[in-house]
Amino acid sequence: EVQLVESGGGLVQPGGSLRLSCAASGFTFSSYWMNWVRQAPGKGLVWVSRIKGDGSITDYADSVKGRLTISRDNAKNTLYLQMNSLRADDTAVYYCVRDLGHCTNGVCDAWGQGTTVTVSS
Amino acid sequence: DIQMSQSPSSLSASVGDRVTITCRASQSINSFLNWFQQKPGKAPNLLIYAASSLQSGVPSRFSGSGSGTDFALTISSLQPEDFATYYCQQSYSTPITFGQGTRLEIK
Repeated sequence: EVQLVESGGGLVQPGGSLRLSCAASGFTFSSYWMNWVRQAPGKGLVWVSRIKGDGSITDYADSVKGRLTISRDNAKNTLYLQMNSLRADDTAVYYCVRDLGHCTNGVCDAWGQGTTVTVSS
Repeated sequence: DIQMSQSPSSLSASVGDRVTITCRASQSINSFLNWFQQKPGKAPNLLIYAASSLQSGVPSRFSGSGSGTDFALTISSLQPEDFATYYCQQSYSTPITFGQGTRLEIK
Protein backbone atom coordinates (compact mmCIF):
# COMPACT_ATOMS: atom_id res chain seq x y z
CA GLU A 1 0.00 0.00 0.00
CA VAL A 2 1.28 3.40 -0.96
CA GLN A 3 1.75 5.70 2.02
CA LEU A 4 2.97 9.27 2.28
CA VAL A 5 3.26 10.60 5.81
CA GLU A 6 4.15 14.24 6.33
CA SER A 7 5.61 15.61 9.54
CA GLY A 8 7.40 18.66 10.84
CA GLY A 9 4.60 21.20 10.75
CA GLY A 10 3.88 23.56 13.61
CA LEU A 11 3.77 27.13 14.82
CA VAL A 12 6.69 29.35 13.86
CA GLN A 13 7.31 33.08 14.11
CA PRO A 14 7.62 35.27 11.01
CA GLY A 15 11.16 35.06 9.69
CA GLY A 16 11.67 31.65 11.23
CA SER A 17 12.48 28.28 9.71
CA LEU A 18 10.91 24.85 9.59
CA ARG A 19 11.71 21.58 7.82
CA LEU A 20 8.92 19.38 6.59
CA SER A 21 9.46 15.69 5.92
CA CYS A 22 7.44 13.17 3.96
CA ALA A 23 8.12 9.49 4.58
CA ALA A 24 7.19 7.34 1.59
CA SER A 25 6.49 3.63 1.48
CA GLY A 26 4.83 1.05 -0.74
CA PHE A 27 6.48 2.11 -4.00
CA THR A 28 9.89 2.68 -5.58
CA PHE A 29 10.44 6.20 -4.27
CA SER A 30 13.41 7.03 -6.48
CA SER A 31 11.37 6.45 -9.64
CA TYR A 32 8.92 9.28 -9.11
CA TRP A 33 8.74 13.04 -9.26
CA MET A 34 7.62 14.33 -5.88
CA ASN A 35 5.78 17.56 -5.18
CA TRP A 36 4.68 19.83 -2.38
CA VAL A 37 1.25 21.42 -2.69
CA ARG A 38 -0.18 23.76 -0.08
CA GLN A 39 -3.60 25.03 0.89
CA ALA A 40 -4.12 28.10 3.05
CA PRO A 41 -7.12 28.00 5.41
CA GLY A 42 -10.33 28.22 3.40
CA LYS A 43 -8.44 28.72 0.15
CA GLY A 44 -7.55 26.72 -2.94
CA LEU A 45 -4.69 24.44 -3.86
CA VAL A 46 -1.32 25.95 -4.73
CA TRP A 47 1.61 24.04 -6.15
CA VAL A 48 4.85 24.85 -4.31
CA SER A 49 7.69 22.76 -5.69
CA ARG A 50 8.71 19.50 -7.33
CA ILE A 51 11.82 17.34 -7.61
CA LYS A 52 12.76 14.63 -10.08
CA GLY A 53 13.28 11.07 -8.90
CA ASP A 54 17.06 11.29 -8.93
CA GLY A 55 17.04 14.80 -7.46
CA SER A 56 18.63 16.33 -10.55
CA ILE A 57 15.82 18.77 -11.36
CA THR A 58 13.86 21.04 -9.05
CA ASP A 59 11.17 23.61 -9.80
CA TYR A 60 9.52 26.23 -7.60
CA ALA A 61 6.58 28.57 -7.53
CA ASP A 62 7.73 32.18 -7.80
CA SER A 63 6.26 32.96 -4.39
CA VAL A 64 8.68 30.60 -2.63
CA LYS A 65 11.85 30.83 -4.73
CA GLY A 66 14.87 31.59 -2.59
CA ARG A 67 13.05 30.80 0.66
CA LEU A 68 11.86 27.19 0.33
CA THR A 69 14.10 24.34 -0.80
CA ILE A 70 12.93 20.89 -1.85
CA SER A 71 15.22 17.88 -1.50
CA ARG A 72 15.03 14.13 -1.18
CA ASP A 73 16.98 11.24 0.31
CA ASN A 74 16.24 8.18 -1.79
CA ALA A 75 18.12 5.92 0.61
CA LYS A 76 15.64 6.95 3.32
CA ASN A 77 12.60 7.20 1.03
CA THR A 78 12.02 10.68 2.34
CA LEU A 79 11.11 14.02 0.77
CA TYR A 80 11.92 17.32 2.47
CA LEU A 81 10.92 20.95 2.31
CA GLN A 82 13.26 23.36 4.05
CA MET A 83 11.33 26.52 4.78
CA ASN A 84 13.26 29.69 5.63
CA SER A 85 12.26 33.34 6.05
CA LEU A 86 8.70 32.27 6.67
CA ARG A 87 5.87 34.77 6.23
CA ALA A 88 2.28 34.83 7.39
CA ASP A 89 1.11 33.93 3.88
CA ASP A 90 3.03 30.65 4.10
CA THR A 91 0.44 29.49 6.62
CA ALA A 92 -1.18 26.43 5.09
CA VAL A 93 -1.61 22.70 5.07
CA TYR A 94 1.31 21.25 3.12
CA TYR A 95 0.70 18.09 1.13
CA CYS A 96 3.36 15.73 -0.16
CA VAL A 97 2.28 14.39 -3.57
CA ARG A 98 3.72 11.64 -5.73
CA ASP A 99 3.62 12.28 -9.48
CA LEU A 100 0.97 15.01 -9.27
CA GLY A 101 -1.88 14.49 -11.70
CA HIS A 102 -0.26 11.64 -13.59
CA CYS A 103 -1.30 8.06 -14.20
CA THR A 104 0.97 5.50 -15.85
CA ASN A 105 -0.09 1.92 -16.42
CA GLY A 106 -2.92 2.35 -13.95
CA VAL A 107 -0.72 3.79 -11.22
CA CYS A 108 -1.83 7.29 -10.41
CA ASP A 109 -0.74 10.07 -8.14
CA ALA A 110 -0.81 9.77 -4.37
CA TRP A 111 -1.26 12.38 -1.64
CA GLY A 112 -0.28 12.45 1.99
CA GLN A 113 -2.68 13.59 4.70
CA GLY A 114 -0.96 16.95 5.04
CA THR A 115 0.91 18.78 7.77
CA THR A 116 -0.09 22.21 9.05
CA VAL A 117 2.30 25.15 9.14
CA THR A 118 1.23 28.28 11.00
CA VAL A 119 3.35 31.40 10.78
CA SER A 120 2.38 33.85 13.48
CA SER A 121 3.86 35.91 16.28
CA ASP B 1 2.70 31.48 -16.04
CA ILE B 2 -0.43 29.71 -17.25
CA GLN B 3 -3.56 30.95 -15.49
CA MET B 4 -6.44 28.54 -14.93
CA SER B 5 -9.93 29.96 -14.58
CA GLN B 6 -12.85 27.83 -13.41
CA SER B 7 -16.53 28.61 -13.60
CA PRO B 8 -18.71 28.78 -11.77
CA SER B 9 -17.00 29.41 -8.42
CA SER B 10 -19.92 27.80 -6.67
CA LEU B 11 -22.90 25.81 -7.77
CA SER B 12 -26.05 24.56 -6.07
CA ALA B 13 -27.62 21.43 -7.48
CA SER B 14 -29.85 18.53 -6.52
CA VAL B 15 -29.25 14.80 -6.38
CA GLY B 16 -29.77 13.41 -9.86
CA ASP B 17 -28.88 16.65 -11.65
CA ARG B 18 -26.38 16.80 -14.49
CA VAL B 19 -23.73 19.43 -13.81
CA THR B 20 -20.84 20.80 -15.80
CA ILE B 21 -17.85 22.74 -14.49
CA THR B 22 -15.63 24.52 -16.98
CA CYS B 23 -11.95 25.39 -16.86
CA ARG B 24 -10.12 27.74 -19.20
CA ALA B 25 -6.37 28.01 -19.59
CA SER B 26 -4.69 31.30 -20.50
CA GLN B 27 -2.80 29.53 -23.29
CA SER B 28 -2.96 26.15 -24.97
CA ILE B 29 -2.08 23.24 -22.71
CA ASN B 30 -2.98 20.50 -25.21
CA SER B 31 -4.58 17.82 -23.01
CA PHE B 32 -2.42 18.33 -19.94
CA LEU B 33 -5.43 18.98 -17.72
CA ASN B 34 -6.46 17.13 -14.59
CA TRP B 35 -9.51 17.32 -12.33
CA PHE B 36 -9.49 16.79 -8.58
CA GLN B 37 -12.24 16.41 -6.00
CA GLN B 38 -11.67 17.57 -2.45
CA LYS B 39 -13.89 17.03 0.57
CA PRO B 40 -13.52 19.05 3.77
CA GLY B 41 -10.49 18.10 5.84
CA LYS B 42 -9.27 15.61 3.25
CA ALA B 43 -6.54 15.54 0.65
CA PRO B 44 -7.65 15.99 -2.96
CA ASN B 45 -8.47 12.96 -5.06
CA LEU B 46 -7.62 12.72 -8.77
CA LEU B 47 -10.73 12.06 -10.85
CA ILE B 48 -9.72 12.75 -14.44
CA TYR B 49 -6.24 12.96 -15.97
CA ALA B 50 -5.09 13.98 -19.42
CA ALA B 51 -8.36 15.87 -19.89
CA SER B 52 -10.61 12.86 -20.42
CA SER B 53 -9.13 9.72 -18.83
CA LEU B 54 -11.00 8.43 -15.81
CA GLN B 55 -8.85 7.25 -12.95
CA SER B 56 -9.50 3.65 -12.01
CA GLY B 57 -12.19 3.35 -9.34
CA VAL B 58 -13.81 6.70 -10.14
CA PRO B 59 -17.50 6.29 -11.00
CA SER B 60 -18.39 6.52 -14.68
CA ARG B 61 -20.82 9.37 -14.01
CA PHE B 62 -17.73 11.59 -14.04
CA SER B 63 -16.34 12.57 -17.42
CA GLY B 64 -13.88 15.10 -18.78
CA SER B 65 -13.60 16.76 -22.14
CA GLY B 66 -11.72 19.44 -24.01
CA SER B 67 -8.28 20.27 -25.32
CA GLY B 68 -6.23 23.37 -26.00
CA THR B 69 -7.65 26.04 -23.70
CA ASP B 70 -11.20 24.95 -22.87
CA PHE B 71 -12.13 22.00 -20.71
CA ALA B 72 -15.11 20.64 -18.84
CA LEU B 73 -15.90 18.23 -16.05
CA THR B 74 -19.37 16.72 -16.21
CA ILE B 75 -21.18 14.71 -13.56
CA SER B 76 -24.06 12.98 -15.30
CA SER B 77 -26.27 12.30 -12.27
CA LEU B 78 -25.24 13.85 -8.97
CA GLN B 79 -24.99 11.57 -5.97
CA PRO B 80 -24.89 12.71 -2.33
CA GLU B 81 -21.18 11.90 -2.07
CA ASP B 82 -20.35 14.21 -5.00
CA PHE B 83 -20.95 17.40 -3.05
CA ALA B 84 -17.42 18.70 -2.68
CA THR B 85 -14.99 21.20 -4.18
CA TYR B 86 -13.51 20.53 -7.61
CA TYR B 87 -10.23 21.84 -9.00
CA CYS B 88 -8.71 21.77 -12.43
CA GLN B 89 -4.91 21.70 -12.75
CA GLN B 90 -2.56 22.07 -15.70
CA SER B 91 0.55 19.92 -15.94
CA TYR B 92 1.72 21.34 -19.28
CA SER B 93 4.44 23.54 -17.84
CA THR B 94 5.85 24.82 -14.60
CA PRO B 95 4.80 26.54 -12.53
CA ILE B 96 2.02 23.98 -12.24
CA THR B 97 -1.22 25.85 -11.63
CA PHE B 98 -4.68 25.07 -10.30
CA GLY B 99 -8.00 26.70 -10.93
CA GLN B 100 -9.54 28.55 -8.02
CA GLY B 101 -12.01 25.75 -7.34
CA THR B 102 -15.72 25.16 -7.76
CA ARG B 103 -17.74 24.44 -4.65
CA LEU B 104 -20.65 22.12 -5.42
CA GLU B 105 -23.39 22.41 -2.83
CA ILE B 106 -26.70 20.69 -2.22
CA LYS B 107 -29.73 22.69 -3.29
